[in-house]
Amino acid sequence: DTGVSQDPRHKITKRGQNVTFRCDPISEHNRLYWYRQTLGQGPEFLTYFQNEAQLEKSRLLSDRFSAERPKGSFSTLEIQRTEQGDSAMYLCASSVNRATNEKLFFGSGTQLSVL
Amino acid sequence: GQQVMQIPQYQHVQEGEDFTTYCNSSTTLSNIQWYKQRPGGHPVFLIQLVKSGEVKKQKRLTFQFGEAKKNSSLHITATQTTDVGTYFCAGRNTDKLIFGTGTRLQVFP
Repeated sequence: DTGVSQDPRHKITKRGQNVTFRCDPISEHNRLYWYRQTLGQGPEFLTYFQNEAQLEKSRLLSDRFSAERPKGSFSTLEIQRTEQGDSAMYLCASSVNRATNEKLFFGSGTQLSVL
Repeated sequence: GQQVMQIPQYQHVQEGEDFTTYCNSSTTLSNIQWYKQRPGGHPVFLIQLVKSGEVKKQKRLTFQFGEAKKNSSLHITATQTTDVGTYFCAGRNTDKLIFGTGTRLQVFP
């Protein structure tokens, strides 16, 4: 499978617990994005990396959220002290940075439910 | 910050009818992309528009980028049940892609 893969597909956790999601992008894609999507809404930008550098982080993102891409390949998104409002689908996407045409390839997402 | 709105939020059509969704950005965009998300699926890239006033066609789908590069539209001619899903525009004015609110299309046979 050469697509973007995310793990786990589903995560149920209790409020206050920490969770970590993993994203494996398409190989040779130098850009990796994290989005969050709730029911009936469009994907909301969280952060993105070019290679291992985190270039931008949404101001909407609290300090409880952190993302890494240590070797410029896979990425992890950690949410500390989860709250019920964190319940959402967390989507990862990767792309090749091209000045004229950059399309995002999305993974199937991790559905987080905070009880 | 940049906002991208779409109308309508929902559209129900009879199979064979046409469908249009409109996308408006609060800021001028360097380019705009369209994605389709099937129920239970993830967004899938459809097309990118870059030039002011650009029009592109993909079979029954016609995409248009406004002259001021702040709005766009997607028109589907003679809808089919396979067109069911949510259509998102996504605008870029810096490095990140901001997604619109989406238009959910339901097609009745």
